[in-house]
Amino acid sequence: QVTLKESGPVLVKPTETLTLTCTVSGFSLSNARMGVSWIRQPPGKALEWLAHIFSNDEKSYSTSLKSRLTISKDTSKSQVVLTMTNMDPVDTATYYCARLYCSGGSCYSDYWGQGTLVTVSS
Amino acid sequence: EIVLTQSPGTLSLSPGERATLSCRASQSVSSSYLAWYQQKPGQAPRLLIYGASSRATGIPDRFSGSGSGTDFTLTISRLEPEDFAVYYCQQYGSSPPVFTFGPGTKVDIK
Repeated sequence: QVTLKESGPVLVKPTETLTLTCTVSGFSLSNARMGVSWIRQPPGKALEWLAHIFSNDEKSYSTSLKSRLTISKDTSKSQVVLTMTNMDPVDTATYYCARLYCSGGSCYSDYWGQGTLVTVSS
Repeated sequence: EIVLTQSPGTLSLSPGERATLSCRASQSVSSSYLAWYQQKPGQAPRLLIYGASSRATGIPDRFSGSGSGTDFTLTISRLEPEDFAVYYCQQYGSSPPVFTFGPGTKVDIK
């Protein structure tokens, strides 16, 4: 059974750095076809893709947020970590991690965590 | 970078009716990398369609995807009460290798 679970602070102050952890089970982060994406959703707004990391450590970032994001993984712990620097109230959102599955020329997020709401406020 | 536009923004229909949702890309997209997701209030998104037309595991056959190039469509043949939700299209571009979501279409009860 594939599961993903996000963890991290519920409240951060402006200018602080946010660190979120995605702990996965039911699949291995070393599987060649798989990776993990981070996606966020401000209250009442659309989904926004942030970053992803593949098993070979290939990483990609949203062009608009690239300077603030770092994604990494610890395969032995089945964890993917996202850091976002210089947090601002506009970064208030539910942050999701999702399994990225690539096969037969397609890539898509087939399993999602429940999401974690992060509020940025002083 | 590719921009996705979804229309209409809101679709008001009755149960049993057919829903046709559009996703248009600012430039040609590989069909292999076009997906559709459903999201209900308070829930994480759920994968419906990948590769533009392949249903994900467990998705009823009333959901179908089609299209190529810059124009893609999600069709719900007969709306069930549980289908009223927000639907997002997503594409994966190779250069740069980024994902993009559309702004979503809300299907609500008329």
